Amino acid sequence: NAGVTQTPKFQVLKTGQSMTLQCAQDMNHNSMYWYRQDPGMGLRLIYYSASEGTTDKGEVPNGYNVSRLNKREFSLRLESAAPSQTSVYFCASTSPRGGDEQFFGPGTRLTVL
Amino acid sequence: KNEVEQSPQNLTAQEGEFITINCSYSVGISALHWLQQHPGGGIVSLFMLSSGKKKHGRLIATINIQEKHSSLHITASHPRDSAVYICAVQYNFNKFYFGSGTKLNVKP
Repeated sequence: NAGVTQTPKFQVLKTGQSMTLQCAQDMNHNSMYWYRQDPGMGLRLIYYSASEGTTDKGEVPNGYNVSRLNKREFSLRLESAAPSQTSVYFCASTSPRGGDEQFFGPGTRLTVL
Repeated sequence: KNEVEQSPQNLTAQEGEFITINCSYSVGISALHWLQQHPGGGIVSLFMLSSGKKKHGRLIATINIQEKHSSLHITASHPRDSAVYICAVQYNFNKFYFGSGTKLNVKP
């Protein structure tokens, strides 16, 4: 049982490049989330998916797109990376009951030059 | 938006001390979470509370719904407790807002 996995762990992009961050969970959770964490600020919700086939915007969705490929996988895409998107990105999931604890992936450290 | 305020931002303690971290929020919530982020960056959930008090080992979390306030206590603190402690509020089922964290350093 791997929990929540994320790839890659580190990535450096040039301004304007695109990339997809991958997230997968093997706990049969319905809800999945993408957050970014910036120095001095709390985690901020980018997008979430309450169930397979549904996605909704969070607090800071601009510049990102997501895809809930199936129940296990939830990807985050940067179509045209900007330096303001330099951050640490965390994926998380919660149990089918929804109100339980969140399980976090190890994070992806992204630098946009 | 639900504002989440944590205090203190930084805390240094001697091993064995009793530690309290506070969290205040602005609107009604369905649950409050306490998380721990290790120096390596990994985040783990410590508690989820909707009322009252919970205890796991040396950690105790309390919440006062009327006052919109929660506290995390660590008894007999140890250097391995050194980490960033994050308060998060949950509302509308899938919306989470996070405090900026309290960085705890416990010295031997």
